[in-house]
Amino acid sequence: SAVISQKPSRDICQRGTSLTIQCQVDSQVTMMFWYRQQPGQSLTLIATANQGSEATYESGFVIDKFPISRPNLTFSTLTVSNMSPEDSSIYLCSVGSTGSDTQYFGPGTRLTVL
Amino acid sequence: GENVEQHPSTLSVQEGDSAVIKCTYSDSASNYFPWYKQELGKGPQLIIDIRSNVGEKKDQRIAVTLNKTAKHFSLHITETQPEDSAVYFCAASQAAGNKLTFGGGTRVLVKP
Repeated sequence: SAVISQKPSRDICQRGTSLTIQCQVDSQVTMMFWYRQQPGQSLTLIATANQGSEATYESGFVIDKFPISRPNLTFSTLTVSNMSPEDSSIYLCSVGSTGSDTQYFGPGTRLTVL
Repeated sequence: GENVEQHPSTLSVQEGDSAVIKCTYSDSASNYFPWYKQELGKGPQLIIDIRSNVGEKKDQRIAVTLNKTAKHFSLHITETQPEDSAVYFCAASQAAGNKLTFGGGTRVLVKP
């Protein structure tokens, strides 16, 4: 399976600021996804990061709040913009390959907004 | 869209006993069902998965069963050990490379 790293691993931010989370994979992957896990809750898909084009967002998530970049097949970023305490969550990237069902998750970024 | 329900939300077992977690899904088009284990402070780890053309799959102490007609699947952990204590998530998807819909999670505590 791919080795996935995320930066930062955790952060404490002030409301109204923005944080960019990085996801790096050690091999080229076709699919990259971003999930949110609110405290004590399950995982909710934010968007699919598409290489070379705009991300595909799920209902309830918008590009202005969660801009995503994916410049190549091994890297993606998720920005949490204009943060509020309700954005305090674990943000996870996952990767998969076309023709394969399997998704692997990164270690997550634990965000606390004060 | 797909909806996945998971039960129970918490499960406490004695070391050596078995643990069973059940999930139901709503979309008959779903054909891939993975299970993830999430330990405190870590990302979810894939522990076993099953596809709709298979009724049962086993990997050492872990097994998963699928009933397509009833649209439910279950995770079975035998001879539980303290290191099995974690939160377990089931999920479903409709196609390779497609998004996963997760169940609500089950917090498993194995008591020594």
